[in-house]
Formats: sequence, structure tokens, C-alpha cells
Amino acid sequence: DAEITQSPRHKITETGRQVTLACHQTWNHNNMFWYRQDLGHGLRLIHYSYGVQDTNKGEVSDGYSVSRSNTEDLPLTLESAASSQTSVYFCASRPSGSEDEQFFGPGTRLTVL
Amino acid sequence: LAKTTQPISMDSYEGQEVNITCSHNNIATNDYITWYQQFPSQGPRFIIQGYKTKVTNEVASLFIPADRKSSTLSLPRVSLSDTAVYYCLVGYSSASKIIFGSGTRLSIRP
Repeated sequence: DAEITQSPRHKITETGRQVTLACHQTWNHNNMFWYRQDLGHGLRLIHYSYGVQDTNKGEVSDGYSVSRSNTEDLPLTLESAASSQTSVYFCASRPSGSEDEQFFGPGTRLTVL
Repeated sequence: LAKTTQPISMDSYEGQEVNITCSHNNIATNDYITWYQQFPSQGPRFIIQGYKTKVTNEVASLFIPADRKSSTLSLPRVSLSDTAVYYCLVGYSSASKIIFGSGTRLSIRP
């Protein structure tokens, strides 16, 4: 069955380190998204991509970057991790050209010490 | 981008019908209304989507008045497993910046 996976599921790192969170989907969706969710809050969009080689900033993109070298993957990189980036990160994908639902991954819990 | 307002929390009992209303006063002509459900430690899951009037699926119903400035998610005969956070979103696919608000935390009691 098609799915969307994230790895690692849990990560502890130190301030200043570079961290990359992986997202992989097998639906062949063009649209992919990264969100962060902080305790007691909704999801906030970090970056999104409409297809290979396309990336766009969301509302909370500072300190994060993404790259899209193929349809299946959208890795999220924290260039220099900060304690304020401790959060749960969700990746999602959606077919292009419609209002179809977003399919979310299981999330990655990141702690920056 | 349309902002949504929903109650922070609601409580109900098993077997009851639960209605969660969302306000979206500045919804745009092209915007659809979508509801997601999120359980602890999981990603959100699509429940239902509509543009106007009423939409029903095997899980819920969505009522949208003619002016589309609000919508109501209706969950029939809830069970304990419906305890979750429910998000109302409005957006248009090409905008992509669909905004999740803080959601409504629904607690179902026996």
C-alpha cells in the first residue's frame, strides 16, 4: 500500500548542530509539505513543494531549508538547531491540481538541548 | 488567507451527536472547507470537505450555510474513540498555505 513515512521518529540533538528529517511518500504526489506543531497549538507551515526542484517558504521558514530532487522525498534541514525548534514535525503530501486531502506522516519529535 | 475560529474545547458523552462550528468570515469564492481529526502522537487525518450546502460521508456531515461564513461538523453518535482535536481549514489548492488554527479539543465521556 502507498504510504508516507518519516524518519527518525524521535531525535535529540544539541544547539548548533545540523539536523535533517526525512520524509518519503509512495503515492507519487507532486505536492509535499512540512509543518511543525508545538504543544497546544495547531500546525504551522514551514516549507512546501509543488514538484521536483520546486521549493517555497511557509509562514515559519527561518532556520529551515528543504530540497526536492525527486517526487518521493522532501528532506527538511535545520541548518543550526536552536532550542526554539524543539517541536513535533509533520510531513504531508497531496495530489496536485485539486482540493484533495493532505496525507500526513506519523511525525518526528525533535528535542534540541 | 481565510482565518478560522473554533471553540477551544468541547465535552460530550458516548452516543450523543456532536456539532462543532467554525467561523470563517473572510472565506474567498474559491475556498473549500476541510476538517481534519488528530489523535495524540499522530498526524492529522482528513474527515470531510465541502464547498456549500451539505456533505455527508461514512464518518461525519458538514453543513455550510449559503453565505459560507461558517460551517458545522456533525459527528453522529460519538464514541470514546472520537476523543481528538478537530481542525477546520479553508483554502484553495493553488494557495497551499492552508492554515491550521488551534483546533477544537473534543472529549467524549462514558
